[in-house]
Amino acid sequence: QVQLQESGPGLVKPSETLSLTCSVSGDSMSRHYWSWIRQPPGKGLEWIGYIYYSGSTNCNPSLKSRVTMSVDTSKNQFSLKLRSVTAADTAVYFCARVEPSSGWFTPFDYWGQGTLVTVSS
Amino acid sequence: QSALTQPASVSGSPGQSITISCTGTSSDVGNYNLVSWYQQHPGKAPKFLIYEGSRRPSGVSNRFSGSMSGNTASLTISGLQAEDEADYYCCSYAGSSTVVFGGGTKVTVL
Repeated sequence: QVQLQESGPGLVKPSETLSLTCSVSGDSMSRHYWSWIRQPPGKGLEWIGYIYYSGSTNCNPSLKSRVTMSVDTSKNQFSLKLRSVTAADTAVYFCARVEPSSGWFTPFDYWGQGTLVTVSS
Repeated sequence: QSALTQPASVSGSPGQSITISCTGTSSDVGNYNLVSWYQQHPGKAPKFLIYEGSRRPSGVSNRFSGSMSGNTASLTISGLQAEDEADYYCCSYAGSSTVVFGGGTKVTVL
């Protein structure tokens, strides 16, 4: 059974960097795409970006200048950094696996439970 | 990259069928047969329901079905049940290695 678990600070100050890690169990990260998706309170889902096990990435154009993603296959973890955060970045952040037989960057078959990150001083 | 368009809400009585639309453009929904659908109950992670427009993953009820026509994808829930009350999101590959979600539809079982 594949399981994903997000971890990181629940409160980040404006202008600082949001850092989250997703720990994967029940599956190897090899040859899979992994994604970050967020959901502001009471709003819809927004795709942040993906990372491949090799380290290649791509992001939502609206966030590209502020996002860095990395992967540590030895720990079965991947991470997200979002710089210069504002209140608009307050959201539940989900990590998810791209369905392995897909040759694209969607769909998402397994999701973490999500972690709320609040941007506030 | 604009969000796909979904109705804000759809409702139906138990046993009825409802359909949720998801409208994109020729750059996303209309250009790739890569629309997926997710169900999200309050406070929970989304659940994977449909992929490639109409295919169901193993374990998903056959009461959920998907279709596509032009720039619009649709999710139909037949035999509506109380447990189907949730938010539903469509998602599409949007080219250039990017993905876009719809704004979400709240389904109410009357």
